[in-house]
Parts: sequence; C-alpha cells; structure tokens
Amino acid sequence: GESVGLHLPTLSVQEGDNSIINCAYSNSASDYFIWYKQESGKGPQFIIDIRSNMDKRQGQRVTVLLNKTVKHLSLQIAATQPGDSAVYFCAENNDYKLSFGAGTTVTVRA
Amino acid sequence: GAGVSQSPSNKVTEKGKDVELRCDPISGHTALYWYRQSLGQGLEFLIYFQGNSAPDKSGLPSDRFSAERTGGSVSTLTIQRTQQEDSAVYLCASSSNINQPQHFGDGTRLSIL
Repeated sequence: GESVGLHLPTLSVQEGDNSIINCAYSNSASDYFIWYKQESGKGPQFIIDIRSNMDKRQGQRVTVLLNKTVKHLSLQIAATQPGDSAVYFCAENNDYKLSFGAGTTVTVRA
Repeated sequence: GAGVSQSPSNKVTEKGKDVELRCDPISGHTALYWYRQSLGQGLEFLIYFQGNSAPDKSGLPSDRFSAERTGGSVSTLTIQRTQQEDSAVYLCASSSNINQPQHFGDGTRLSIL
C-alpha cells in the first residue's frame, strides 16, 4: 500500500480563512517530506519541504508541521486566496523516490 | 524558461503504436525522474537517472517501457506497442541531487485509442 496518505480528500475554505491540510505517513525511517500543489493541467509545484530534524518550517503564507511521534504532517495556508484552489500532495522522499498520497482538493469559496 | 520542459504536451495514438516522450530538465540538475499519474491517482514512480545512468528502473511497468538520458540532460521515455492502460499523464522531474526537492514539468498527457 501507499506509505503516505491524506486524512481528507476534499477541503472547502472561505477566502481569507486559514487552511489546514493533514497527511499521515507510515515509514518511521523517512527523513524528508515535501508538499506539492497541483493545478488542473499542470505538474506538481513545489511549495515547501521539511526534514526530520525539524518540527516546523515557514514559508510565504505557508507553514509545515512535522510530528514524528505520530507520523503526521500538516500544511497550513494563511489567508487562503482563490489562487490556492488546487490539489495538494504530501510526499515522502526516501533517497530519490517520492511516494505520494492521493491528494486533498482544496476549493476556495469567495 | 528555467523550469522542466516536457514534450509533447498531449499525445493521442492508436493502440499498438510506439510513442516517445521527451524531458528537458532544469539546467545543471544531475538527477532526473519519470513518474506516471493516472486519473484521480497519486504519482507512480517509474525510473530515476543520475547523470546518464539509471540506478533504479524498478517502477517501469513492463518491458515495453524504456528510458534513456544523454549528455546528462535530455531524457526520453519510450513506450512500445502501446496499450489502453498506458493512458495517463507522464511527468518528469529533476533535482540538483537526491536530497533536494524535485521540480516537475507539466507532463505529457497520453491517450491510447
């Protein structure tokens, strides 16, 4: 089965609110995680990454949290905008191979 | 542009034909990867190149699939005697090394009639 999975397949959020997308992984030896955003007809776009020696990392409007104890990742998007509507994937990078979950579709309501 | 470039963006072909998909990675990226994405699914790893060598071909679905990379840059993925189940989006990614994020192209949408 897949080593990385997402808790919810869809998320609807009001424009301006914060979004939280969750992801669970099963391989406790994994040490590098990446969040991607995929818009319709496009390839996955790198958002932010985090290594296992950290539990939090911030980017522009995004924060990734890593809880190694429960093997859980989350992506927080602040002040969600219409352009944030997309499918979000968490990926586990073991050496060179990315393992993706099925993704969470985020829809932003005006 | 400076991103990963894939061609063609769309390909429609008849069952049994051969197809060749091209990937032009980000300049200077030594690592290159091919993935397949089927409708509504996550990404399936196919093959990884480090330079011109492919240390891991384990994800190639069958012997009808092959890939090569020349000059440490452009890669081609070839599917022989295509079948309908080969219909998918084929994505290429590259990275500066295996411990850095992979950056994806927009893929080739392959449809087998």
